[in-house]
Amino acid sequence: EAGVTQFPSHSVIEKGQTVTLRCDPISGHDNLYWYRRVMGKEIKFLLHFVKESKQDESGMPNNRFLAERTGGTYSTLKVQPAELEDSGVYFCASSQRAGLRNNEQFFGPGTRLTVL
Amino acid sequence: ILNVEQSPQSLHVQEGDSTNFTCSFPSSNFYALHWYRWETAKSPEALFVMTLNGDEKKKGRISATLNTKEGYSYLYIKGSQPEDSATYLCAFYMIYNQGGKLIFGQGTELSVKP
Repeated sequence: EAGVTQFPSHSVIEKGQTVTLRCDPISGHDNLYWYRRVMGKEIKFLLHFVKESKQDESGMPNNRFLAERTGGTYSTLKVQPAELEDSGVYFCASSQRAGLRNNEQFFGPGTRLTVL
Repeated sequence: ILNVEQSPQSLHVQEGDSTNFTCSFPSSNFYALHWYRWETAKSPEALFVMTLNGDEKKKGRISATLNTKEGYSYLYIKGSQPEDSATYLCAFYMIYNQGGKLIFGQGTELSVKP
């Protein structure tokens, strides 16, 4: 069974440009999460989709970030315009269920974003 | 603000040494604690999901314990090998209406020298 995949693996852009990250969750997983790790800090939650609906987007840093999950399958995270502080590793995770004690989230390998 | 702390931040050991790390988390409203192993450019790999006070889990040479009353978990690696070199992450699982999110610590970076 394929795991969570993310594209691209690495993106280098200039400040002010737009970047779109993609995540394909494990087939059948209704729950999809975005997290990010900026240099030297902990991995932080960005948002959670249940199918195509945003369940919690409290971690989104500001309105330069837009996440979508049309059709409840893959998701995209767009950063527009990118700023230097957006550099980091963006992880996607998926799970079958949410809200259960033993719920396991499966992570993708991340997209390393560098903003110059 | 919910805080998850891990110590030490980094650890350098020799092959064959046994080692342990600590994860501290809030003891109130506990649901679950997750341990992950992460190598750069790879997917964080789930090691354990711990839910009950007193839980002890084992996977090969790696084991973990959980104390929810005092808010800590230990991860032990017995007889470290170079392939154990990675960042070990703990995450407190926070449940909300129809959802849940992971609150991560900063991780412990382990380096095992042959």
